[in-house]
Amino acid sequence: EVQLVESGGGLVQPGGSLRLSCAASGFSFSDHYMDWVRQAPGKGLEWVGHIRNKANSYITEYAASVKGRFIISRDDSKNSLYLQMNSLKTEDMAVYYCAREMAYGDYSLGPFDIWGQGTMVAVSS
Amino acid sequence: QLVLTQSPSASASLGASVKLTCTLSSGHSSYAIAWHQQQPEKAPRYLMKLNNDGSHNKGDGIPDRFSGSSSGAERHLTISSLQSEDEADYYCQTWGTGTVFGGGTKLTVL
Repeated sequence: EVQLVESGGGLVQPGGSLRLSCAASGFSFSDHYMDWVRQAPGKGLEWVGHIRNKANSYITEYAASVKGRFIISRDDSKNSLYLQMNSLKTEDMAVYYCAREMAYGDYSLGPFDIWGQGTMVAVSS
Repeated sequence: QLVLTQSPSASASLGASVKLTCTLSSGHSSYAIAWHQQQPEKAPRYLMKLNNDGSHNKGDGIPDRFSGSSSGAERHLTISSLQSEDEADYYCQTWGTGTVFGGGTKLTVL
């Protein structure tokens, strides 16, 4: 079964750090670009950023709202995606989803075709 | 700037059809999009990739009741024979430099 499972969410104080993980199974993880998307309570989906595959140099791109504070990484040997979140703000409070980009050869077609179930991050003093 | 615009809400009766619209910003009318469904308290689910010519590729297990079409800068999701489980938020997504989501349409099945 193709699956993404996030973990690592929890309560953190403003200014703190947290690391989320996403475990992939059932597909060739290393072939795909991988993304993080978040959803604040009662709000819509917001793209956080992505990491390309090895063939595309593991290049990362981020939304302006998190650039310089969040770092996306991956370990293809462990079929895992990570999101290191630093200098957390109250507005970062959300459910964080990992998602797989549809692949076409070494490249991404763009759509997210697999989503994880999400992990909640609460930022409060 | 690449922006996707969706109506905040829509409603239709059980068994009827509904057409949801996602509009690409000026200068981006050739872009493909994807549609995602998010049922209450659940993660999003990929429905389909929709190209500017109206061709679309649905995800695994997506019923034939879901179809897509395009007209200029508009991308449509049509759901026929509405069922109660179709009550959900529907998001469109596109990509260029990064990914952009529309604000979502909350569909109520009456």
